[in-house]
Amino acid sequence: EPEVTQTPSHQVTQMGQEVILRCVPISNHLYFYWYRQILGQKVEFLVSFYNNEISEKSEIFDDQFSVERPDGSNFTLKIRSTKLEDSAMYFCASSGLAGVGGADTQYFGPGTRLTVL
Amino acid sequence: DAKTTQPNSMESNEEEPVHLPCNHSTISGTDYIHWYRQLPSQGPEYVIHGLTSNVNNRMASLAIAEDRKSSTLILHRATLRDAAVYYCILKDSGAGSYQLTFGKGTKLSVIP
Repeated sequence: EPEVTQTPSHQVTQMGQEVILRCVPISNHLYFYWYRQILGQKVEFLVSFYNNEISEKSEIFDDQFSVERPDGSNFTLKIRSTKLEDSAMYFCASSGLAGVGGADTQYFGPGTRLTVL
Repeated sequence: DAKTTQPNSMESNEEEPVHLPCNHSTISGTDYIHWYRQLPSQGPEYVIHGLTSNVNNRMASLAIAEDRKSSTLILHRATLRDAAVYYCILKDSGAGSYQLTFGKGTKLSVIP
């Protein structure tokens, strides 16, 4: 069964450093998402991406964050200058043609645990 | 997205059915009802969704009240692997609506 993959599984970085989290969505999907989950808290939406542009973003997704689909398979989340409060699990998700709409279902990756020291 | 209300936690014995309730009294006519679950240390996983009629798939059943103000996720025979946090989420059919809004969900414990 197709699945979303994410690398690395765990990333440790120093405050102020740039990090890039990588995701390989399901191959025929067209909509891509990033969510995060701070330890013990709810899963929070960050951004959605379709047709090479951001389609929706949350208040969390400020200028320090960016997303990119550099080729036909990868989807990345970059944090330019990490802060202590960026420490969280980051989940990538993708969905198929339904994308927009109530019937859309999203498929999540296993996550990248980001630790900012 | 309209708000949902779920119990914080529930327990079930292994191999018994589990009924996980969700209230969504402010649901709109175009909102789909989705259920996702999150196993420990894993990403959320789609379980099932529906609009008005009851739905069945290989994982679970979804029973939707006639007035759509509540729904119940039914696991027919709980296994230890079903221990997870279950999220009931309303998804708007309107254009431009992409995100899933997760609440705190119901933490299901399965007792051997």
